[in-house]
Amino acid sequence: QQPVQSPQAVILREGEDAVINCSSSKALYSVHWYRQKHGEAPVFLMILLKGGEQKGHEKISASFNEKKQQSSLYLTASQLSYSGTYFCGTEGTGRRALTFGSGTRLQVQP
Amino acid sequence: EPEVTQTPSHQVTQMGQEVILRCVPISNHLYFYWYRQILGQKVEFLVSFYNNEISEKSEIFDDQFSVERPDGSNFTLKIRSTKLEDSAMYFCASSRQANQPQHFGDGTRLSIL
Repeated sequence: QQPVQSPQAVILREGEDAVINCSSSKALYSVHWYRQKHGEAPVFLMILLKGGEQKGHEKISASFNEKKQQSSLYLTASQLSYSGTYFCGTEGTGRRALTFGSGTRLQVQP
Repeated sequence: EPEVTQTPSHQVTQMGQEVILRCVPISNHLYFYWYRQILGQKVEFLVSFYNNEISEKSEIFDDQFSVERPDGSNFTLKIRSTKLEDSAMYFCASSRQANQPQHFGDGTRLSIL
């Protein structure tokens, strides 16, 4: 069963913050976050393993709430280059394949 | 930085024909994957491959599909008798170990006429 992402789309001005959520009804082992620009391959951003850790990559960070089976991606002080579709991919216990959400389309405007 | 490479970048094939998509995973990676993405939709898992055998496959990966690692570097996806609904972008990915980042190639756009 695919994870549910919210919101489906968001428009930001440069410098604004955004949060993208990813939730699953199944027990998760890990959550992977990817950004995909139009016509390009998904680019890996970060992976969070169960344990509730939080990770950061420049101005993009993420958290994983194991109890809620939910992960959130935080984009702070957004830049034009952040525009694209963000996908979460979840790994269930005992599985290696990623099940992707439907994506969140992020558009950063000047 | 090492990357996953896929060929061809675009394949146009008549319905019913066989097609082979090729991938060269990152050299020290042990897990290989095929995903597909129909235009405008989410990425869907097809199959994972480890230790020269399929470790997992989805419902999409039916008898028309097969994967092979013919040598030490290539990883191929074969579709035996293509259908119109096979038109999609096919991505190959690899990871060093399980539960580690999966790195995607640039994809092969498959168009079935």
